Amino acid sequence: AQSVTQLDSQVPVFEEAPVELRCNYSSSVSVYLFWYVQYPNQGLQLLLKYLSGSTLVKGINGFEAEFNKSQTSFHLRKPSVHISDTAEYFCAVSDVAGYSTLTFGKGTMLLVSP
Amino acid sequence: GAGVSQSPRYKVAKRGQDVALRCDPISGHVSLFWYQQALGQGPEFLTYFQNEAQLDKSGLPSDRFFAERPEGSVSTLKIQRTQQEDSAVYLCASSLARASGYNEQFFGPGTRLTVL
Repeated sequence: AQSVTQLDSQVPVFEEAPVELRCNYSSSVSVYLFWYVQYPNQGLQLLLKYLSGSTLVKGINGFEAEFNKSQTSFHLRKPSVHISDTAEYFCAVSDVAGYSTLTFGKGTMLLVSP
Repeated sequence: GAGVSQSPRYKVAKRGQDVALRCDPISGHVSLFWYQQALGQGPEFLTYFQNEAQLDKSGLPSDRFFAERPEGSVSTLKIQRTQQEDSAVYLCASSLARASGYNEQFFGPGTRLTVL
């Protein structure tokens, strides 16, 4: 079984400032790692994923995340945020050997203000 | 092409009513997942289909929840005798391949169920 912890339920930030959304996971098996974004009244959209290889992964909209196996973390970063980045962000894992069922964290609401 | 669609987008039910939520996956997608997202929470897995076979229903919260995918495409999630704690957004996702390993899931917009 896996679990995902997102330490911040809400992160307020000013436009053009950098941001980091934190994610830690727990698993007894190898996992894939994901970040999804959810805009109001919309479904989940994949931002980026870590499957294997380089621990720094780049995604859409200028986001990137770094996989740290020793700290079991997968924090999401963006060097300069825009108003349009305001949304809910979910970290998720799936078992490498399973059916790709996703286990999500509780989400972090990113609030970007001018 | 079209993405995953779900209907209705919003459903209000009185406690004790039965409801049926529909998911149309992307054409040709073998795998189909249902998730439940309570207010202020992340999505939680309910059940998984590979074609018409329901391979995992470990996340269904009670025997009032039932899902089917009889022809391996459209899926219906049915909730009998709805309770207030069933109020949530129900998300459907589909993916292309049946094999284990990474297969990107594409999500629908969800059905928001409110039980009064």
